[in-house]
Amino acid sequence: DVVLTQTPPTLSATIGQSVSISCRSSQSLLDSDGDTYLNWLLQRPGQSPQLLIYSVSNLESGVPNRFSGSGSETDFTLKISGVEAEDLGVYYCMQATHAPFTFGSGTKLEIK
Amino acid sequence: QVQLKESGPVLVQASETLSLTCTVSGFSLTNYGVIWVRQPPGKGLEWMGIIWRNGNTDYNSALKSRLSINRDTSKSQVFLKMNSLQTDDTAIYYCTREVMDAWGQGASVTVSS
Repeated sequence: DVVLTQTPPTLSATIGQSVSISCRSSQSLLDSDGDTYLNWLLQRPGQSPQLLIYSVSNLESGVPNRFSGSGSETDFTLKISGVEAEDLGVYYCMQATHAPFTFGSGTKLEIK
Repeated sequence: QVQLKESGPVLVQASETLSLTCTVSGFSLTNYGVIWVRQPPGKGLEWMGIIWRNGNTDYNSALKSRLSINRDTSKSQVFLKMNSLQTDDTAIYYCTREVMDAWGQGASVTVSS
């Protein structure tokens, strides 16, 4: 199974600061159809997860454009350009290229 | 509006079988698959399995021997069954549409010894 390694496990940021989260895969996530199925999700405290980014860099409808995703093959990054208070929670990367699909271990974002 | 809702028992005895239902609306199960995800208390998300739009299934390797996912397209329902429960199966169980753009509110399940 594909292993996704997320770093850092925790992140502390002030309002307005820009932060990045890394997700590294144990194998390439480039599918035979040419797409790369690497998603980013946010789980706010006490809530169900929500999709932020799909297929590496596509912003889900309704998600603020301060969120952006980049990367290819095995190395991916989620960037928040100007953290806001509502961004606190746990961020997960998740791959849907190779079944069984897998999640990263999560990065907890705290607001200073 | 796309919606998913999990239902099932809150408390299950160890060694018994867990049965959960995910009822969906706003889309057809023949157009989208449904994924089950669980989250033990204080821990991360674990992908359990998927029933694809064509009815095929894929399962988490660690759960494969105990887990089955089925559906009733006429009722817009997806079913999860997992046997031989242990206390570490205590978790919130979520269902989500295949593209993960909509999630249920989660069903909290406690396995009692």
